[in-house]
Amino acid sequence: AQSVSQHNHHVILSEAASLELGCNYSYGGTVNLFWYVQYPGQHLQLLLKYFSGDPLVKGIKGFEAEFIKSKFSFNLRKPSVQWSDTAEYFCAVTAQAAGNKLTFGGGTRVLVKP
Amino acid sequence: DTGVSQDPRHKITKRGQNVTFRCDPISEHNRLYWYRQTLGQGPEFLTYFQNEAQLEKSRLLSDRFSAERPKGSFSTLEIQRTEQGDSAMYLCASSLIGRGARGNEQFFGPGTRLTVL
Repeated sequence: AQSVSQHNHHVILSEAASLELGCNYSYGGTVNLFWYVQYPGQHLQLLLKYFSGDPLVKGIKGFEAEFIKSKFSFNLRKPSVQWSDTAEYFCAVTAQAAGNKLTFGGGTRVLVKP
Repeated sequence: DTGVSQDPRHKITKRGQNVTFRCDPISEHNRLYWYRQTLGQGPEFLTYFQNEAQLEKSRLLSDRFSAERPKGSFSTLEIQRTEQGDSAMYLCASSLIGRGARGNEQFFGPGTRLTVL
């Protein structure tokens, strides 16, 4: 069975700071990787996804993530955060062999101070 | 609005009562998933359907839980004899598999927050 680990539970940073959230997964087969974001009071939204090809994927709102297969990692980055990036971020993985159900990490709460 | 919708958004019930939630997926999406999210945790998979067929159930889904998708469109999740431990956010997601769709991007609804007193 697959599992996902997010390294930080809480991150606090100031506007314009750079953000990197760690994500490692455990699964031996072919996977699809996702980052979802949940803004306060809103539902889960997709930030970006990796299916195949270029391991550096760009998503909405200036976010990007890099898939490093050898490290089973899919870290999320943003060079300069804004107050509006305050949210909870979830890394998730699916595997076609496992019914494509999403397995989520525990989430990272990010607070951006103005 | 053509997104995933869920009803009700909030449900408060007493222990031992039965509750039913509804999910309307994005039209034409053939897959429908149910997840449960408790405070401070990521969502956990409960079950999923492809069209009207329920293809997998998590071991989290006890005998008190049942889900249906009778016509391959909307789905219901029923919890019988609710317990305080059932308090959580119940999320529904839909996706399109096959027919040229790439990968499995799931679109989430707003969730139903259940509180069992």
